[in-house]
Amino acid sequence: KNQVEQSPQSLIILEGKNCTLQCNYTVSPFSNLRWYKQDTGRGPVSLTIMTFSENTKSNGRYTATLDADTKQSSLHITASQLSDSASYICVVYNYGQNFVFGPGTRLSVLP
Amino acid sequence: DGGITQSPKYLFRKEGQNVTLSCEQNLNHDAMYWYRQDPGQGLRLIYYSQIVNDFQKGDIAEGYSVSREKKESFPLTVTSAQKNPTAFYLCASSKYRGVVPNEQFFGPGTRLTVL
Repeated sequence: KNQVEQSPQSLIILEGKNCTLQCNYTVSPFSNLRWYKQDTGRGPVSLTIMTFSENTKSNGRYTATLDADTKQSSLHITASQLSDSASYICVVYNYGQNFVFGPGTRLSVLP
Repeated sequence: DGGITQSPKYLFRKEGQNVTLSCEQNLNHDAMYWYRQDPGQGLRLIYYSQIVNDFQKGDIAEGYSVSREKKESFPLTVTSAQKNPTAFYLCASSKYRGVVPNEQFFGPGTRLTVL
């Protein structure tokens, strides 16, 4: 069964600290993986997209990694800001089929 | 939110009523999608459409209906047959479903509450 799991379910950190979010997937055949940021009550916004051959991609303070062998991805946030408080969703796309969404990790950054 | 608009932002419905959620995009995208989001769960696909006048059921289509008469528009009707319609509804679009990498752009969402 195509599935995407994320951990932790929620996370609280202090402003300025770093954090790492995890994504494990069993989607096959794998096409690409993306991380979205979703503010409360808003639509998701894409942060990064990674194909099979890519293992690291950065977007400002966000760095995503992908290990296609172990079917794991992580999103590392550096020097967190209050505006980073949001849900982070991992999505895997399989060829010609569909987008499989993880449940998300809820991040709260406190001052 | 890109070039995708959804209306209304908030919608209240009485039991037994049908309601229609609007989704419009000006990105010239071929494919459009409707998702439902419940707390603590991932987005679940309701319907999708790859071209005008064609659409396919997703994982949770029961109690919902759609139409795709124009490329820019993909309205979703929540019928009285949907037993638990209170949720956050998201519309998305992408250039073409077979393109790799295929990226979706999301609208701002509509929160539907059944009274």
